[in-house]
Amino acid sequence: GENVEQHPSTLSVQEGDSAVIKCTYSDSASNYFPWYKQELGKRPQLIIDIRSNVGEKKDQRIAVTLNKTAKHFSLHITETQPEDSAVYFCAASSPFVFGNEKLTFGTGTRLTIIP
Amino acid sequence: NAGVTQTPKFQVLKTGQSMTLQCAQDMNHEYMSWYRQDPGMGLRLIHYSVGAGITDQGEVPNGYNVSRSTTEDFPLRLLSAAPSQTSVYFCASSGGIRAFFGQGTRLTVV
Repeated sequence: GENVEQHPSTLSVQEGDSAVIKCTYSDSASNYFPWYKQELGKRPQLIIDIRSNVGEKKDQRIAVTLNKTAKHFSLHITETQPEDSAVYFCAASSPFVFGNEKLTFGTGTRLTIIP
Repeated sequence: NAGVTQTPKFQVLKTGQSMTLQCAQDMNHEYMSWYRQDPGMGLRLIHYSVGAGITDQGEVPNGYNVSRSTTEDFPLRLLSAAPSQTSVYFCASSGGIRAFFGQGTRLTVV
């Protein structure tokens, strides 16, 4: 089955600086890669996603890049703000399921923005 | 539009007791899943369903049962609770690509 590794497990960044979180996946058939943000005591919230036919996607201060050859994808947050502090999860899903009901998650990155 | 609703939010069980975690969605999504979240381990898939009457096992199915009699509901049953099942449980639903999560159930087994 799919295996997703995520690094780093913790990340502290000065407010205004950029943060990068990296994930690798094992199944070359995976074609969908979402990122979730989870604040303390809350549910995971989808913040951005990318499909394997796209190399990069951007939404305001958040961007995701995908390298299919190397089987890794990254989350980039620019101009970080205190409200970006949370745990971030990457995930991967293969096309051999019906509707991405089988996401494989990384172990999470706790991002702390230092004022 | 409530989205994905889970009940209860908190639950304490004694070892050996059984219970059902409820999950309902009002988005007419075909695909629903249950995950458990443990510290340092991310979210792991327990069971999933691709439509009413169709369920299958995920990565960590032991000790849990599911059924899907309607599109809206996907309950998770703990047959005989064990301390190892202490966790936060999330239900998710998807209309085809993006998955949306319920608010979670924090379960403690003593």
